[in-house]
Amino acid sequence: DAKTTQPNSMESNEEEPVHLPCNHSTISGTDYIHWYRQLPSQGPEYVIHGLTSNVNNRMASLAIAEDRKSSTLILHRATLRDAAVYYCILFTGGGNKLTFGTGTQLKVEL
Amino acid sequence: DAGVTQSPTHLIKTRGQQVTLRCSPKSGHDTVSWYQQALGQGPQFIFQYYEEEERQRGNFPDRFSGHQFPNYSSELNVNALLLGDSALYLCASSRPLHSTEAFFGQGTRLTVV
Repeated sequence: DAKTTQPNSMESNEEEPVHLPCNHSTISGTDYIHWYRQLPSQGPEYVIHGLTSNVNNRMASLAIAEDRKSSTLILHRATLRDAAVYYCILFTGGGNKLTFGTGTQLKVEL
Repeated sequence: DAGVTQSPTHLIKTRGQQVTLRCSPKSGHDTVSWYQQALGQGPQFIFQYYEEEERQRGNFPDRFSGHQFPNYSSELNVNALLLGDSALYLCASSRPLHSTEAFFGQGTRLTVV
């Protein structure tokens, strides 16, 4: 399984943008980049995914580098409810297994 | 839509015992995956069931087994429990041919004493 590298933790102030980086230098051409987050005492929750182009949805934006070796999850205005562990995962579609790393613990302060 | 439901929410077992955890997938989903999450770690893939058969398996011993029923619900069985089996067990459902995301339940917290 191709690996991803994320910082262990990041901090942000409420209502400020947050940029969560992920490196995936061994990504293959068929790997999608998925982001999940896990709030305290809950199961992981899908956030966003992309293949080559930048993506936006109601939760976040995903910026993918041109060489696809890195990506950035962007939360446009962090809230206290966004405090969670964020996982960057390479996923070769079709319901295959998700390989989680240790993720980035995002702390949001007032 | 109830989403993915797991039972029980918490469980305490003794070393050497056997345990069965249950999962009902999200409506319309036919694929169920199980994950083990130790404290402070990301979830680790155990296995995946589709059409009542185990389709993929992670690096877990044979003490971990499962089953999928015709209504797509699933069970995870762990035999001969070890202290190291203490973890949060997560169930995720998806539709493989259309899968862009997996939906997770809130998990079962298993404590082995």
